[in-house]
Amino acid sequence: DTGVSQNPRHKITKRGQNVTFRCDPISEHNRLYWYRQTLGQGPEFLTYFQNEAQLEKSRLLSDRFSAERPKGSFSTLEIQRTEQGDSAMYLCASSPGPSAGHYEQYFGPGTRLTVT
Amino acid sequence: AQKVTQAQTEISVVEKEDVTLDCVYKTRDTTYYLFWYKQPPSGELVFLIRRNSFDEQNEISGRYSWNFQKSTSSFNFTITASQVVDSAVYFCALSGGAGNNRKLIWGLGTSLAVNP
Repeated sequence: DTGVSQNPRHKITKRGQNVTFRCDPISEHNRLYWYRQTLGQGPEFLTYFQNEAQLEKSRLLSDRFSAERPKGSFSTLEIQRTEQGDSAMYLCASSPGPSAGHYEQYFGPGTRLTVT
Repeated sequence: AQKVTQAQTEISVVEKEDVTLDCVYKTRDTTYYLFWYKQPPSGELVFLIRRNSFDEQNEISGRYSWNFQKSTSSFNFTITASQVVDSAVYFCALSGGAGNNRKLIWGLGTSLAVNP
């Protein structure tokens, strides 16, 4: 069990550029979540996948944001036309789900995005 | 709407002191789950404990203990004989019951500084 991994760990980009982040969940975890955390705040939910299906998106997720989870394995989060307000830590978490008797989520190290 | 309140923004203690972190939650769900996570300076969120709404037993794990009281909608976390390594931001989180995607709703966190 290698834990949740995220790449890259840090990303600096200029305003208006597109960025893509990758999350590799713990193997066999069918639930995958994306959160965003800014300084001094708790994480905020962005979107949720069960296997390959994206079942919920937060209103925080504007049309510049898109997430995918092809084949129910790794997931990508893309931000188009980045804005300075997008600067944050983007966190990915996975969970086996309640059918496995687990409700807790396990987090990756995050990708810190800085938009200049 | 669901909400988690951590009224203590920052706490500073001297090593070996006991410290209690408060968490008050609000939900209309009859079944729900409460969590505590630790976020050390490295940034990765570490799962500490999960509590089900139908299980009000308190729990102790080493120097950590948790007091869940449905009557006051509180789920407080006590660290006994604190150590410098306990310095971190601690988050309380809530997720809903059956039919919910179990996204986590987070408090703002309590920053704990344990000084030698």
